[in-house]
Amino acid sequence: DVKVTQSSRYLVKRTGEKVFLECVQDMDHENMFWYRQDPGLGLRLIYFSYDVKMKEKGDIPEGYSVSREKKERFSLILESASTNQTSMYLCASSVGQWNNQPQHFGDGTRLSIL
Amino acid sequence: DAKTTQPTSMDCAEGRAANLPCNHSTISGNEYVYWYRQIHSQGPQYIIHGLKNNETNEMASLIITEDRKSSTLILPHATLRDTAVYYCIVRVGRQAGTALIFGKGTTLSVSS
Repeated sequence: DVKVTQSSRYLVKRTGEKVFLECVQDMDHENMFWYRQDPGLGLRLIYFSYDVKMKEKGDIPEGYSVSREKKERFSLILESASTNQTSMYLCASSVGQWNNQPQHFGDGTRLSIL
Repeated sequence: DAKTTQPTSMDCAEGRAANLPCNHSTISGNEYVYWYRQIHSQGPQYIIHGLKNNETNEMASLIITEDRKSSTLILPHATLRDTAVYYCIVRVGRQAGTALIFGKGTTLSVSS
């Protein structure tokens, strides 16, 4: 079974803090993704990575950065947290580049910025 | 990606089969049908996907009509743990690096 593990289920931080969200997958997947999920807005893609050290902006990258130094690990960084970044953050991974394989998700991190 | 239409909610008795329909009348030839579900406060869980043939795995079966304009996800023996929001997504297979777009989905309530 594919396993995508996010480091925290719940996190509370203060505005202005630098926040790190970690994600690890154990299936040697090439692609990794960071989404946020908000009521009424569905899933929105922040960044994705198709290889080590490679990254592409998604639909809402502002205020975020990412790091992929190893194939199995994809980190999301909130450079200076703000209250509008309070959300559920979801990491996903998938295999290959040009195929039909699905994305597999972690359990999410519910982040609150006070 | 093609638009999908699903009922807002469905009920199912525990132990019975749950049949969740999805309409995707504008699907194109290279688009796959994917099903995910999301249990409250958890991440989405992949269930099954297919192109035109029916598919079955340990979780569910996917029946796609011959014209591919609709499909049905079947949970053969629903349990209380199958209560979740179920999403039908249609997208081109060769888009590994693009976002999944979840619609409103169907809220399935399984009761004893």
